[in-house]
Amino acid sequence: QQQVKQSPQSLIVQKGGIPIINCAYENTAFDYFPWYQQFPGKGPALLIAIRPDVSEKKEGRFTISFNKSAKQFSLHIMDSQPGDSATYFCAAGWNTPLVFGKGTRLSVIA
Amino acid sequence: DTAVSQTPKYLVTQMGNDKSIKCEQNLGHDTMYWYKQDSKKFLKIMFSYNNKELIINETVPNRFSPKSPDKAHLNLHINSLELGDSAVYFCASSQDRRGLIYGYTFGSGTRLTVV
Repeated sequence: QQQVKQSPQSLIVQKGGIPIINCAYENTAFDYFPWYQQFPGKGPALLIAIRPDVSEKKEGRFTISFNKSAKQFSLHIMDSQPGDSATYFCAAGWNTPLVFGKGTRLSVIA
Repeated sequence: DTAVSQTPKYLVTQMGNDKSIKCEQNLGHDTMYWYKQDSKKFLKIMFSYNNKELIINETVPNRFSPKSPDKAHLNLHINSLELGDSAVYFCASSQDRRGLIYGYTFGSGTRLTVV
């Protein structure tokens, strides 16, 4: 119930491509869904977040799509750049500390 | 100015030793956390403190003991270290108990290696 399942585990795209990372959850009490970006040797940093009252949120090149009925949400990175190469974590929360997915290692090749 | 700072950054120690990791945040946040990131990058909550009071203690061996002397500090003491404790430990903080306003701010991590 407390798990967040993330896929794929790793992803390689060419510069300019649109990587998509997917997450699914079971606990319907979750009401906050952030994405975090982690570079090697650093802690995760908040990228973008969504609440379940909207189906999509965009910030710059990053978009979250949220499907409440399917209990799924995904991150899309438009016009991906080599500097976007990092590990991405989805997470979910409600009245407890965030539960994180297992991460997706993204490599954007020039 | 480092927002959430952890020391040390690296820690190599022998099995059976006792060690501490320190964390300080200068953001004025009310809530602090310890997460463990294993070799497969999985981030798992260990403890959560709000205004120096423990609010969450996940299934963690009692060899791990957090201490919060004030709301800006959350230290982690580990007794009788085992090989399986090797991981990266992240301290984080948030303005509110849920991290809804500005999310969590993580430190850079402490890589603990038990030999």
